[in-house]
Amino acid sequence: DTGVSQDPRHKITKRGQNVTFRCDPISEHNRLYWYRQTLGQGPEFLTYFQNEAQLEKSRLLSDRFSAERPKGSFSTLEIQRTEQGDSAMYLCASSPLGTSGANVLTFGAGSRLTVL
Amino acid sequence: AQKVTQAQTEISVVEKEDVTLDCVYETRDTTYYLFWYKQPPSGELVFLIRRNSFDEQNEISGRYSWNFQKSTSSFNFTITASQVVDSAVYFCALRTGGFKTIFGAGTRLFVKA
Repeated sequence: DTGVSQDPRHKITKRGQNVTFRCDPISEHNRLYWYRQTLGQGPEFLTYFQNEAQLEKSRLLSDRFSAERPKGSFSTLEIQRTEQGDSAMYLCASSPLGTSGANVLTFGAGSRLTVL
Repeated sequence: AQKVTQAQTEISVVEKEDVTLDCVYETRDTTYYLFWYKQPPSGELVFLIRRNSFDEQNEISGRYSWNFQKSTSSFNFTITASQVVDSAVYFCALRTGGFKTIFGAGTRLFVKA
């Protein structure tokens, strides 16, 4: 397995446009997370999926943000009507369901969004 | 509320020096997990260690060691004989109930040759 994959790695868009990021987790991992990281800060939790069910969403996830994991495999994070404040690194992570490794996150390389 | 504080924003050392990265956490839960992750210049966060709240044993892994003290709510990370490859941002993190891991703001470590 090649780890957690994210695409695209970089996205530059104009304010008001929609963008979509994709995450392919480690295949055996049932849990999938999205985080956002801005310059000089640690990752901030956005949302969590267990298989295809979205079980937790942060208040940071405004109505313009939507995430899906339709078949319990890959996930997409869409941002509608982007704003300059959305500029950040969007990180995807996954973890297994069992208790032993359930809390350890394996991160992807991230998708960097720049909104002009 | 849960919180992780890494008071050191940046640390600069010369190769072979020892360096300690501080982490203080806040939680009212009695069961929780603490973590350290490393984010090298390439950007991908890498897991280093996990401790649960019932295991205060310190741990050593090669040049890395961790000191967990519940009495002071601290989980400090020491790198012995630092190397240039240790240059990265290091994050301390906390997970209690639920699915959210809370990260500190990170400490950027520069190791100069």
